[in-house]
Amino acid sequence: GAVVSQHPSRVICKSGTSVKIECRSLDFQATTMFWYRQFPKQSLMLMATSNEGSKATYEQGVEKDKFLINHASLTLSTLTVTSAHPEDSSFYICSAMDPSGQPQHFGDGTRLSIL
Amino acid sequence: GQQVMQIPQYQHVQEGEDFTTYCNSSTTLSNIQWYKQRPGGHPVFLIQLVKSGEVKKQKRLTFQFGEAKKNSSLHITATQTTDVGTYFCAGSYSGAGSYQLTFGKGTKLSVIP
Repeated sequence: GAVVSQHPSRVICKSGTSVKIECRSLDFQATTMFWYRQFPKQSLMLMATSNEGSKATYEQGVEKDKFLINHASLTLSTLTVTSAHPEDSSFYICSAMDPSGQPQHFGDGTRLSIL
Repeated sequence: GQQVMQIPQYQHVQEGEDFTTYCNSSTTLSNIQWYKQRPGGHPVFLIQLVKSGEVKKQKRLTFQFGEAKKNSSLHITATQTTDVGTYFCAGSYSGAGSYQLTFGKGTKLSVIP
């Protein structure tokens, strides 16, 4: 089946560091990828929709200058958490939309811990 | 904005008992999907329901989509310890951004051996 690879799986870094997370669709082309954030014991909250070759669409309340998204190719989208602070600590998950439109295929997630 | 409500938040069952989780949307859904997330893992797609009144089965799992396409349920018969995890429903709505998913809060299932 369709596979989405997300890297890194775990990041621990100091406050003020910028962290880049990669999301790759391994066996299909994904014109649309999604970035979610999940706090402990909570649901997935959509942060932004990443479209290949164009600017990402951010959900209300998500700072686009804080969470930079680049979807430079049909198989890669990146999320950069700039100048991360402890409140940015969370589980970030990407997904790629199947070429048929549904369902979404999720990456393994990145657990970000900011000290 | 559109919201998908999911209950219960937690469910503890004895192994062999049945389990049901329910999702409800205030507005009509285009389709609804169900995902399972194991502790520490990522959501794994289970099924998609599109048609009004649709019922689909996967072994011990039964998925239903309401006639009005506003609610859905997942029922597990005779739970096993391998069923442990959080079950999320996720709905899509017609119109702009119709490919986006709105997730319910999930139901965390614990199975006592």
